[in-house]
Amino acid sequence: KQEVTQIPAALSVPEGENLVLNCSFTDSAIYNLQWFRQDPGKGLTSLLLIQSSQREQTSGRLNASLDKSSGRSTLYIAASQPGDSATYLCAVIHNYGQNFVFGPGTRLSVLP
Amino acid sequence: ETGVTQSPTHLIKTRGQQVTLRCSSQSGHNTVSWYQQALGQGPQFIFQYYREEENGRGNFPPRFSGLQFPNYSSELNVNALELDDSALYLCASSSPQGAGYGYTFGSGTRLTVV
Repeated sequence: KQEVTQIPAALSVPEGENLVLNCSFTDSAIYNLQWFRQDPGKGLTSLLLIQSSQREQTSGRLNASLDKSSGRSTLYIAASQPGDSATYLCAVIHNYGQNFVFGPGTRLSVLP
Repeated sequence: ETGVTQSPTHLIKTRGQQVTLRCSSQSGHNTVSWYQQALGQGPQFIFQYYREEENGRGNFPPRFSGLQFPNYSSELNVNALELDDSALYLCASSSPQGAGYGYTFGSGTRLTVV
């Protein structure tokens, strides 16, 4: 059974810092991995999708890497802003399934 | 092109009652998935519908059931509500393009069972 964990559970940083969020998964037979953002009480917004054959994806100040063999992904946020405050969720889809398996999320607060 | 719309946004029910949640999929999407997100946790997969048939189910009891209609909209029904069913219920629609591609999530329905 696939399990996804995220470290840290919560993070509070001053504006302008670069930061790294970590995601680990137990079954490396994944089709892809996605990072989502969730604002309080809201739905999910897809940030980055990494195919199993890829090593990283970039969008603006966000960079996500994937090491499938070790079961790890990181989300790097450069020059953090208060508007980045949200919960960040990591999710994987298996080769043999069509549903996401989510981690518990990292709750990020960027202080002005 | 419209996104995924869920209704209602908030709902309060009493333990033992039944509830129906609704989801309108994004234009061109024929697959709908439902997830339950308890407070402080990641979403958990309930089930998926493709062309009006259930196409995969997570570890949820039979009192969680669903429907998909010819226009690809969907319903989630929960019978005999329990306090632990209190959660945010998320619907996601996707195209037949492939696993993980083009998933669009709705804003969710917040269900409170008292």
